[in-house]
Amino acid sequence: GDSVTQMEGPVTLSEEAFLTINCTYTATGYPSLFWYVQYPGEGLQLLLKATKADDKGSNKGFEATYRKETTSFHLEKGSVQVSDSAVYFCALSDSSDTGNQFYFGTGTSLTVIP
Amino acid sequence: DSGVTQTPKHLITATGQRVTLRCSPRSGDLSVYWYQQSLDQGLQFLIQYYNGEERAKGNILERFSAQQFPDLHSELNLSSLELGDSALYFCASSVEGLAWKDTQYFGPGTRLTVL
Repeated sequence: GDSVTQMEGPVTLSEEAFLTINCTYTATGYPSLFWYVQYPGEGLQLLLKATKADDKGSNKGFEATYRKETTSFHLEKGSVQVSDSAVYFCALSDSSDTGNQFYFGTGTSLTVIP
Repeated sequence: DSGVTQTPKHLITATGQRVTLRCSPRSGDLSVYWYQQSLDQGLQFLIQYYNGEERAKGNILERFSAQQFPDLHSELNLSSLELGDSALYFCASSVEGLAWKDTQYFGPGTRLTVL
């Protein structure tokens, strides 16, 4: 079945450091891929998405490219800020006999220190 | 603030009991999704409704049921509760219910504790 595997955390970075959070997926169809962010005590917010191969999603300085050949959707940011501290979830949406299904990775906790 | 509201914020109950979680989607959104977030299973999709009709079903247990009402609010009913049902339950909403392209807006969640 479909699944998402993302890099284990927690990740601790200094402010202005480069961030990569790895995400790979397994899917039977042609999924859409997403990164969500969860700030402490809040629900998830969509960070970016890509709906087909080679699409690049970007938002707030974060980027991720849908790579079908490596089944990956790694999240990157060139210079992190303290305000980026949160939990990041990679997710995919794929069609099935019971409608669109959603699969989330386990989440990667990021702490950015000044 | 996403515009999605969930009540109650916290719920503490005993094993074997039944509870109802409520979700009001953003104004204009026709689709509602329910998710369960627990430490051992992570974030799991339960079920989706669009304009009152069930559209997709994920890992929802038979003891759980949901519905979406004509005013578009949704309720998730959990019965015969077990300790393992303790989790954070999120509701999300989107405009068209087309998961592959819609943005889902998440509520703040209901924390259920089963003792």
